[in-house]
Amino acid sequence: GAVVSQHPSWVICKSGTSVKIECRSLDFQATTMFWYRQFPKQSLMLMATSNEGSKATYEQGVEKDKFLINHASLTLSTLTVTSAHPEDSSFYICSANSPTGGYGYTFGSGTRLTVV
Amino acid sequence: AQSVTQLDSHVSVSEGTPVLLRCNYSSSYSPSLFWYVQHPNKGLQLLLKYTSAATLVKGINGFEAEFKKSETSFHLTKPSAHMSDAAEYFCVALSTGFQKLVFGTGTRLLVSP
Repeated sequence: GAVVSQHPSWVICKSGTSVKIECRSLDFQATTMFWYRQFPKQSLMLMATSNEGSKATYEQGVEKDKFLINHASLTLSTLTVTSAHPEDSSFYICSANSPTGGYGYTFGSGTRLTVV
Repeated sequence: AQSVTQLDSHVSVSEGTPVLLRCNYSSSYSPSLFWYVQHPNKGLQLLLKYTSAATLVKGINGFEAEFKKSETSFHLTKPSAHMSDAAEYFCVALSTGFQKLVFGTGTRLLVSP
């Protein structure tokens, strides 16, 4: 089945540094990937839609200069949290629309970011 | 705008008893609907999906859901709960034409021995 690999699964960084999170589709090509943020005990909030070879589309209220998204290939999208602050601490999840069998959004396993 | 409402934030059942997680959607069209499960600090796993084929959809791990257009509902059921079913469940709709998933607020399923 379609697999989306997300790395790292958890990361701790110091305030002011940048962190990169990778999202890879392992056995299919994903022209579009999605990045979500999830606060504790809450639902997923779509941050941006990542399109291969073009600029990402950010949801209203999401700072594009803080959350840099790069979708350089059909199997890899990255989210870089720049100049991270404690309020950026959260669970970040990516997903991709796997092409087999029609609609089937596959999610990565998530990244727990803690900024200290 | 499309929206998804999960009527219960928490559902508690005993092991071996039936599970019912409720979901209603609001849409001008019959959307594609999904149920996902999330275990702590994990990503989301697809349980089942409805895409305008059969209204009764069977998924993994014994779960099933029935699409009822007249009630705009897509409730998730399982005849007999297992301890391993304890998790967060999300009802999700795919907004027509926009490729964006619309998430419900989630229902935490608690299973007691």
